[in-house]
Amino acid sequence: QQPVQSPQAVILREGEDAVINCSSSKALYSVHWYRQKHGEAPVFLMILLKGGEQKGHEKISASFNEKKQQSSLYLTASQLSYSGTYFCGKGGGGADGLTFGKGTHLIIQP
Amino acid sequence: GAVVSQHPSWVICKSGTSVKIECRSLDFQATTMFWYRQFPKQSLMLMATSNEGSKATYEQGVEKDKFLINHASLTLSTLTVTSAHPEDSSFYICSASGTGDLRNQPQHFGDGTRLSIL
Repeated sequence: QQPVQSPQAVILREGEDAVINCSSSKALYSVHWYRQKHGEAPVFLMILLKGGEQKGHEKISASFNEKKQQSSLYLTASQLSYSGTYFCGKGGGGADGLTFGKGTHLIIQP
Repeated sequence: GAVVSQHPSWVICKSGTSVKIECRSLDFQATTMFWYRQFPKQSLMLMATSNEGSKATYEQGVEKDKFLINHASLTLSTLTVTSAHPEDSSFYICSASGTGDLRNQPQHFGDGTRLSIL
């Protein structure tokens, strides 16, 4: 089942903050975050495995709630280079590939 | 490290042609590689899991006779779109992970192949 991402799209001015959410009706083993720019391959950002975990650095970070049903990606003081589509992917069982959400389109304006 | 190379980056060909796409892990061994398909402005949809030395595992709704996958070595997987038709036009992306539990390994993506069938 595909994780649900929100919002679908967001437009910010450079320097503003954004939060992107990824949720599932069932507990996830892991959640992966990627950013994809138009016409390019997705680029890995981070993986969260544990309930309550927070990861990343001051500008781009993510959290995984205690029940492991929701993850949020935090973009602080956004830069023009942050523009792109952000996907969360849920780690499946065994040797499965990722099931990605529909993505959140982020546009940063000068 | 963890570089995945995909070739070709763009293919334009006539309907009925078969097209082969290569995915190579350049600096690590990948027992498992994944093939995704992405339509414009949509998410990545997993097509199949490619396992070195064994048959690929296809997702529901993906025709295995249409999309042939071969994973002959720990660094190379190929996807062949057989008798391609315009509806097969899409962006195909491969990914690979290192050894260990795949659920907590980052997937490293190739640059993708844009396939256009006329």
